[in-house]
Amino acid sequence: DVKVTQSSRYLVKRTGEKVFLECVQDMDHENMFWYRQDPGLGLRLIYFSYDVKMKEKGDIPEGYSVSREKKERFSLILESASTNQTSMYLCASSRGQSLNEKLFFGSGTQLSVL
Amino acid sequence: ILNVEQSPQSLHVQEGDSTNFTCSFPSSNFYALHWYRWETAKSPEALFVMTLNGDEKKKGRISATLNTKEGYSYLYIKGSQPEDSATYLCALKNYGGSQGNLIFGKGTKLSVKP
Repeated sequence: DVKVTQSSRYLVKRTGEKVFLECVQDMDHENMFWYRQDPGLGLRLIYFSYDVKMKEKGDIPEGYSVSREKKERFSLILESASTNQTSMYLCASSRGQSLNEKLFFGSGTQLSVL
Repeated sequence: ILNVEQSPQSLHVQEGDSTNFTCSFPSSNFYALHWYRWETAKSPEALFVMTLNGDEKKKGRISATLNTKEGYSYLYIKGSQPEDSATYLCALKNYGGSQGNLIFGKGTKLSVKP
């Protein structure tokens, strides 16, 4: 079974802390994504990567950075966490360059910034 | 800014009822329409990826139709079961958008009472 694994299900951090959210996929997928889900809003894309060391900004990249040093791992970094970054974060991956490939999601990390 | 609308926002049905909900999207530059099911505390899971006008797809008791000319897709569930309770998300991929970006609707939350 294909798998996208996020390192933490729940995380509580303090304002100003540097936060790392880790995501690993075992499907040899080229594309990886970070989304956030907030009540009353659709999933919003933060960053995505279509290859190792490649990254592109999504709709809401401010306050975030990403790292993809290996194909299977895509990290989301909150440089200095703020309360408005309290959210559910979802990692996803997809295969190849075809634009109708479905996404495979992790189970999410619920981050609370106090 | 592209907008993907889903209706209704939530739906409560009895076990055995059939139900349907709608995803509306701008029809220009259409490339693909995705449907996902997201059960509480689990990962969103792809149901269908649809690309052709008039397309119909089926998976067990769940089916979907696509009208790219008028910009809508319907998701049908026949004989709803409690295990169908979930949030159903649709997402649009357009030509001309960034490679990674699917535009998600806010979802329809379905609750099926036994």
